[in-house]
Amino acid sequence: GIQVEQSPPDLILQEGANSTLRCNFSDSVNNLQWFHQNPWGQLINLFYIPSGTKQNGRLSATTVATERYSLLYISSSQTTDSGVYFCAVPYNQGGKLIFGQGTELSVKP
Amino acid sequence: EAQVTQNPRYLITVTGKKLTVTCSQNMNHEYMSWYRQDPGLGLRQIYYSMNVEVTDKGDVPEGYKVSRKEKRNFPLILESPSPNQTSLYFCASGQGTTEAFFGQGTRLTVV
Repeated sequence: GIQVEQSPPDLILQEGANSTLRCNFSDSVNNLQWFHQNPWGQLINLFYIPSGTKQNGRLSATTVATERYSLLYISSSQTTDSGVYFCAVPYNQGGKLIFGQGTELSVKP
Repeated sequence: EAQVTQNPRYLITVTGKKLTVTCSQNMNHEYMSWYRQDPGLGLRQIYYSMNVEVTDKGDVPEGYKVSRKEKRNFPLILESPSPNQTSLYFCASGQGTTEAFFGQGTRLTVV
């Protein structure tokens, strides 16, 4: 089956710093999502981005489907950005999402 | 507001006492599924449903049951919970391979 790998596994930032999270996938996909799992455990949708670039405030994402990777950019990080960031791709006609292992981000004040 | 609603958010129960975690979505999605999340193991799919009365096993179905009698609801049933089912559970809904949405999560502890 398809493999999804994220890097780095952990990241510690000072408030105000920028960061780039990467998601590689082993096979062609027609969808990719980024999620933020906050410290309370909730999974928040960030981006639905099969290809191209999208921006939402301080966050943006780029997926290059032909090269099988996606990037999540966080600019001017804030303590509320802390948590785990997951990318996920659909499998089995969308009946299942395959998740990466996540990047745990800690933003220090 | 488009949402997936799970209840309860937190539950502590005893071994063997049947329980149901409810999940409801208001987006008219055909696809719904259940995942569990455990430290070091990531998110694993328990069961999924691609339409009313159509359900199938995911990666870790043992000890769980589901039903899909109506499009909007997809309850997860633990007939005889055991401590190894202590986990964080998520319900999700979507339409094909388009954007999927997750419920708030249910933290289950079985003692």
